[in-house]
Amino acid sequence: NAGVMQNPRHLVRRRGQEARLRCSPMKGHSHVYWYRQLPEEGLKFMVYLQKENIIDESGMPKERFSAEFPKEGPSILRIQQVVRGDSAAYFCASSMGQGSFSSYEQYFGPGTRLTVT
Amino acid sequence: TQLLEQSPQFLSIQEGENLTVYCNSSSVFSSLQWYRQEPGEGPVLLVTVVTGGEVKKLKRLTFQFGDARKDSSLHITAAQPGDTGLYLCAGATTNAGKSTFGDGTTLTVKP
Repeated sequence: NAGVMQNPRHLVRRRGQEARLRCSPMKGHSHVYWYRQLPEEGLKFMVYLQKENIIDESGMPKERFSAEFPKEGPSILRIQQVVRGDSAAYFCASSMGQGSFSSYEQYFGPGTRLTVT
Repeated sequence: TQLLEQSPQFLSIQEGENLTVYCNSSSVFSSLQWYRQEPGEGPVLLVTVVTGGEVKKLKRLTFQFGDARKDSSLHITAAQPGDTGLYLCAGATTNAGKSTFGDGTTLTVKP
């Protein structure tokens, strides 16, 4: 399967615990984006990363949230000390990022549904 | 801040009807994408338009990019229940980097 992979698909955490969401981009893609979606709402941009670099984190809450995309391995979105308001679907997307128009085309994973109890 | 407004927010129609949904902005985009998202799944890319006035067809779906590259429309002919989903548009203003997403149109096609 050459598509974007996310795991886990479902994650339940108690208030105060940490949530770690993983994303493996499509083969050949070097750019990763994280989005958050509440029920019946659109996608809200969180962060845009290239390998070992955060390019744009303007959508990330200032506290408790962090993201990385290491040289080796998947991209990780980490939420510390989760609260009920963090419950949402978190989607990862990847793109080629080669400076052509195809770099705009983002391919999405199936998402991780986080529930905070 | 670029803002993409999609309308209508919700649309419920009978099988066989035609419909058009819109994506509007005050910003000029280098390209614009349309996605469809089904419940419990991630968005799936349908099309990319890059040239002002461009029209692309995908079976019963027709996508148009406005002449000024600020707006786009999606027309579906003879809608089917399988067309049900959330339709999202996304615009990019540079040749790399993030896109801005609209809040989507939720389409329900009743058999």
